[in-house]
Amino acid sequence: EADIYQTPRYLVIGTGKKITLECSQTMGHDKMYWYQQDPGMELHLIHYSYGVNSTEKGDLSSESTVSRIRTEHFPLTLESARPSHTSQYLCASSGTGPQKWETQYFGPGTRLLVL
Amino acid sequence: KQEVTQIPAALSVPEGENLVLNCSFTDSAIYNLQWFRQDPGKGLTSLLLIQSSQREQTSGRLNASLDKSSGRSTLYIAASQPGDSATYLCAVKAAGNKLTFGGGTRVLVKP
Repeated sequence: EADIYQTPRYLVIGTGKKITLECSQTMGHDKMYWYQQDPGMELHLIHYSYGVNSTEKGDLSSESTVSRIRTEHFPLTLESARPSHTSQYLCASSGTGPQKWETQYFGPGTRLLVL
Repeated sequence: KQEVTQIPAALSVPEGENLVLNCSFTDSAIYNLQWFRQDPGKGLTSLLLIQSSQREQTSGRLNASLDKSSGRSTLYIAASQPGDSATYLCAVKAAGNKLTFGGGTRVLVKP
């Protein structure tokens, strides 16, 4: 089982609040990712990082921001939550092997509900 | 832009029947294709990874084939069990370490 953790697992919060979703991995992976998944819908990449101090925006535009100060930690922040941010957020990581063999390991996800 | 489509969107079968899940992608320039399983409200578990140069991969009751030239992959699950009920996602990996996911197939195996 992959050692990648997300907290909180569930979050209900009011509009306008600042929130940070935590993601940590203990596998020493250099690459980390954030995906957004609406119920019954596809996963969309919103942020990724190839290492410390490296962050890039993904394919789906998002108002969230990320940081990568430590290899094992990749938090996602929403400065002012809105109901449109209600979704499931999945964090993943992958290692340094050849691209054709590399698989991503996923955390359990955070379900966010903004009222 | 890579697009991944999974058909059918949902599938219900009696226990013991074989499952056939389909995945198609538009751009054949891929490094690999993966099949994942997702249980309700949880993260993804990798089932099989097929390199672009491979034709199939097998793990227990699971077998996945890849026809890169036609942009298709099929996941076969033999002798389905109620514990196989989940959503199955396929994803293709292209340059830049990015995965592009399909919409998934929700599978229900009835006892």
